[in-house]
Amino acid sequence: DVKVTQSSRYLVKRTGEKVFLECVQDMDHENMFWYRQDPGLGLRLIYFSYDVKMKEKGDIPEGYSVSREKKERFSLILESASTNQTSMYLCASRGTGRVSPLHFGNGTRLTVT
Amino acid sequence: QKEVEQDPGPLSVPEGAIVSLNCTYSNSAFQYFMWYRQYSRKGPELLMYTYSSGNKEDGRFTAQVDKSSKYISLFIRDSQPSDSATYLCAMSSGTFQGAQKLVFGQGTRLTINP
Repeated sequence: DVKVTQSSRYLVKRTGEKVFLECVQDMDHENMFWYRQDPGLGLRLIYFSYDVKMKEKGDIPEGYSVSREKKERFSLILESASTNQTSMYLCASRGTGRVSPLHFGNGTRLTVT
Repeated sequence: QKEVEQDPGPLSVPEGAIVSLNCTYSNSAFQYFMWYRQYSRKGPELLMYTYSSGNKEDGRFTAQVDKSSKYISLFIRDSQPSDSATYLCAMSSGTFQGAQKLVFGQGTRLTINP
């Protein structure tokens, strides 16, 4: 069974702090994604990666960066956290099969004060 | 206008009822349609997937796609309290290979009352 693990369930950070959200998957998937989920807005794609050291911007990349040094690990970085980045962050991975679904982690609830 | 519109609810029905969840979309290039289910404090999980128009049935769940109307539906028969969750529609224009981007609806929060 695919497991996507996000290192923190809840995080509280101060405005201006640098924040790291970590995600690890155990199924050797090539593709990994970071979404944020907000009420009324659904899931919005921040960044994705289709291979080690490769990354592509999603729909809302401003204020975020990512790192993928190893295939199983995909990190989301908030360079200088702001209150409008308070949200639920979801990591996902998928293989390259034609009907390979997205497998999500259980999310990190980030609050920036 | 959002590419994918989904009524956020909340929707509350009695146990055993037939539930209908819907999404509309504006991008005629979408051809892959999915429904994800998200339990409280969990990540979404794929429930059903359909390609192009038509129906697909899996147990108590039926997914319908009407590309001419740009409208997709998920029906739940004999609904159970364990079906209480948020249901998200998602769709894409390309194949599942590679890092194909999905566009999600806002999600509908469903409660089944015993």
